[in-house]
Amino acid sequence: GENVEQHPSTLSVQEGDSAVIKCTYSDSASNYFPWYKQELGKRPQLIIDIRSNVGEKKDQRIAVTLNKTAKHFSLHITETQPEDSAVYFCAASRGGAAGNKLTFGGGTRVLVKP
Amino acid sequence: DGGITQSPKYLFRKEGQNVTLSCEQNLNHDAMYWYRQDPGQGLRLIYYSQIVNDFQKGDIAEGYSVSREKKESFPLTVTSAQKNPTAFYLCASSIGAGGNGYTFGSGTRLTVV
Repeated sequence: GENVEQHPSTLSVQEGDSAVIKCTYSDSASNYFPWYKQELGKRPQLIIDIRSNVGEKKDQRIAVTLNKTAKHFSLHITETQPEDSAVYFCAASRGGAAGNKLTFGGGTRVLVKP
Repeated sequence: DGGITQSPKYLFRKEGQNVTLSCEQNLNHDAMYWYRQDPGQGLRLIYYSQIVNDFQKGDIAEGYSVSREKKESFPLTVTSAQKNPTAFYLCASSIGAGGNGYTFGSGTRLTVV
């Protein structure tokens, strides 16, 4: 089955700096890659996603890049703010007839220092 | 509350007891999922269902059981066979096949006492 690894496990940045989280996946048939943000004690929320026919996607201060050949994808947060402090999870799935079963990475705890 | 409701928010279980966690959605989603989250770890899939009256085991199904008698409901039973049930349980739903993001419930924190 799919295996998703996520690095780093913790990330501390100064407010205004950029943060980058990287994930690798093992199943070359995976074609959907979402990112979730989970604040303390709350449910994960989808913040951005990318499909395998796209190499990059941007939404305001966040962007995701995908390298299908190397089987890795990354989340980039620019101009970080204190409210970006949370745990971020990457995930992967095959979609299509295999359904939408997501395999998650282990999470990255991001702390933005004011 | 986001279209998917989990109850209760907190649950305490005695050793050897079965407990059932509720998950209800009004999003008309075909697929539903149960994940377990342990402190400092990612989400691990317990069971999932892509259609009513059908479900499949995930990566850590041992000691758990589910049913999917209605499209809106996907209850999870934590049986006495689950030796380490203390965790945060998250239910999610999605439109279904095609690769789409989940909508998560607010979770149930289960503690063995």
